[in-house]
Amino acid sequence: NAGVTQTPKFQVLKTGQSMTLQCAQDMNHNSMYWYRQDPGMGLRLIYYSASEGTTDKGEVPNGYNVSRLNKREFSLRLESAAPSQTSVYFCASRGKRKVRNTEAFFGQGTRLTVV
Amino acid sequence: AQSVTQLDSQVPVFEEAPVELRCNYSSSVSVYLFWYVQYPNQGLQLLLKYLSGSTLVESINGFEAEFNKSQTSFHLRKPSVHISDTAEYFCALSYNFNKFYFGSGTKLNVKP
Repeated sequence: NAGVTQTPKFQVLKTGQSMTLQCAQDMNHNSMYWYRQDPGMGLRLIYYSASEGTTDKGEVPNGYNVSRLNKREFSLRLESAAPSQTSVYFCASRGKRKVRNTEAFFGQGTRLTVV
Repeated sequence: AQSVTQLDSQVPVFEEAPVELRCNYSSSVSVYLFWYVQYPNQGLQLLLKYLSGSTLVESINGFEAEFNKSQTSFHLRKPSVHISDTAEYFCALSYNFNKFYFGSGTKLNVKP
C-alpha cells in the first residue's frame, strides 16, 4: 500500500523558475489537499479538491496553481518561484465517501528551497 | 469561523513524566477533532480522533485525549512519556467534508 506519494522529495529552485509538485493517492479518496508547513505556523492549506474536476482556494493560494488531473492525482504548480515559497509541502487525501469525519492521510513531503 | 489553537509551541519533559499538550478550538458548528504526530523529516500520522460517543479517546501507544465541549478543548495526555515520543504534535479539526484545519503544532522534547 503506497498511500499518498509525493515527488520530488527535495528541490532547489532559483527565483523566477517554475516547477510542478506531483501527488498521487491509491486509496480511492475523493478529497485531496496541498498544505505548506513553515516553522511556528503549522500547516496552512494552499488549495484543495473535493472531487475530480473541482478545485478551491485555501488560506494561502497566492503564487500557486493546482490541477486535479484525475481521481488519483493532484498537482501543485509554482509559476514563478519566490524565496517566500521556501517551505515543506505536503499533499493529503481523505474520504472514500463524502463524509466529514474521516481523517486525512499524508505524503512524506517535498522540501522546497527557493534561492 | 473555525480555528484551532495550540498554546504551547514547545514542551520539554523528562522521560517517564506525564505530559499534557493543549488544544482549544473555535467553531459555531459541531466538529470532529484529530491529533497527528510528525516525527523528524516525515509526514503526519494520525494519532487519535474524536468523532462521537465517548469523550475520551485513546491511541495504541498510550496517548489519550478528552473532548470537552463546554471548554472547547481536546487536550492530549500521556501518563508516562518515552524518548521515542519526541516529535511534533498537531491538533486538527474538520467541520465539513472539504475543510481540514490544523493548529500551529507543539514540539514535545523528551529528555533522558
